[in-house]
Amino acid sequence: GAVVSQHPSWVICKSGTSVKIECRSLDFQATTMFWYRQFPKQSLMLMATSNEGSKATYEQGVEKDKFLINHASLTLSTLTVTSAHPEDSSFYICSARGLQGYTEAFFGQGTRLTVV
Amino acid sequence: GQNIDQPTEMTATEGAIVQINCTYQTSGFNGLFWYQQHAGEAPTFLSYNVLDGLEEKGRFSSFLSRSKGYSYLLLKELQMKDSASYLCAVVDSNYQLIWGAGTKLIIKP
Repeated sequence: GAVVSQHPSWVICKSGTSVKIECRSLDFQATTMFWYRQFPKQSLMLMATSNEGSKATYEQGVEKDKFLINHASLTLSTLTVTSAHPEDSSFYICSARGLQGYTEAFFGQGTRLTVV
Repeated sequence: GQNIDQPTEMTATEGAIVQINCTYQTSGFNGLFWYQQHAGEAPTFLSYNVLDGLEEKGRFSSFLSRSKGYSYLLLKELQMKDSASYLCAVVDSNYQLIWGAGTKLIIKP
């Protein structure tokens, strides 16, 4: 199946700093990428949907100025958590959809963010 | 509103069979996915159903009834490595994935 690579796998940062998470589709062109957050023992929560070359669409309750999403190319999307706080500590997962229309969602490996 | 229901937790014995149910009420339907997620890892694809009936893939099978808004994932010959959360997700009329909360499956020897 298609491969989506997410980096870093885990990161620890100080409160008030910013963290960038990258999501790359390695063997297909991802027209749409999704960013999810998952707290322990809870299901995936969609944060935002991004289409290549356009602004991301954020879900209700997700601060667009805090979670900056850039989808500059068909193979790369980034999520930047700005001025991170301990409550932002979570598991962040990206997934990608290809040009051929709706297919199974291919997931990155996830990023465990811990803000101290 | 849109809603997907799955049991929160299930327990089964190694070597046995378990069925995980999923019921949904969504605005439109364009398919249903089952994913497996081990703790601390991203979900991995198991199956996709868009027509009624049973899809078999090795030890795992998935069933769909669109008229009843119902699906199940059947796991046979359970192994300890099958201990994981199983997520049901429905594609709605806008081709958005609506996720269930997941079912934590515990396998006992």
